Amino acid sequence: AQSVTQLDSQVPVFEEAPVELRCNYSSSVSVYLFWYVQYPNQGLQLLLKYLSGSTLVKGINGFEAEFNKSQTSFHLRKPSVHISDTAEYFCAVRNNNAGNMLTFGGGTRLMVKP
Amino acid sequence: DGGITQSPKYLFRKEGQNVTLSCEQNLNHDAMYWYRQDPGQGLRLIYYSQIVNDFQKGDIAEGYSVSREKKESFPLTVTSAQKNPTAFYLCASSIGQGQAGYTFGSGTRLTVV
Repeated sequence: AQSVTQLDSQVPVFEEAPVELRCNYSSSVSVYLFWYVQYPNQGLQLLLKYLSGSTLVKGINGFEAEFNKSQTSFHLRKPSVHISDTAEYFCAVRNNNAGNMLTFGGGTRLMVKP
Repeated sequence: DGGITQSPKYLFRKEGQNVTLSCEQNLNHDAMYWYRQDPGQGLRLIYYSQIVNDFQKGDIAEGYSVSREKKESFPLTVTSAQKNPTAFYLCASSIGQGQAGYTFGSGTRLTVV
């Protein structure tokens, strides 16, 4: 069974600093990869996704992620964070041989401090 | 605009009561899902349905029941058998082979009083 590991449960960072949220997955076949953001008491919103093609994917709110097949990683980055980026971030993987089910990581809480 | 609607946003349940959480989508999605979210535990899959009149148990189905009589609707009942139902519940839907990922509702917060 595939799994998704978000290596950091919490990431504190100062406003305007860069941030990287790490995501590693286990799968021996090709995958689709997703990052979602969840603000307090809300549902999850799609930030970006990798299906194929360029390994650098740009999403909403200035976020980007890089797919690294050899390291089975899909880390999320932002060069300069804002207070409003404080939220929970979830990485998810769809195994292309397993229908349309997603496997989610445990989440990373990004805390942006002034 | 198409979307997925969960209601109510907040729900209070007395011990021993069954309650039903609503999830409706107008996205024409085939698959629908229910997740439970507790602090620090991420998302845990309760039930999912790939087509109408069919559904499957997820990782934590005990104490919950669902139905899928219409493509648009996937209600979740939290029964009295669920010993610790206080949590945030999320409904999601998806189409086709998953290229678009899931669309999530805004959630229902259930509290036992």
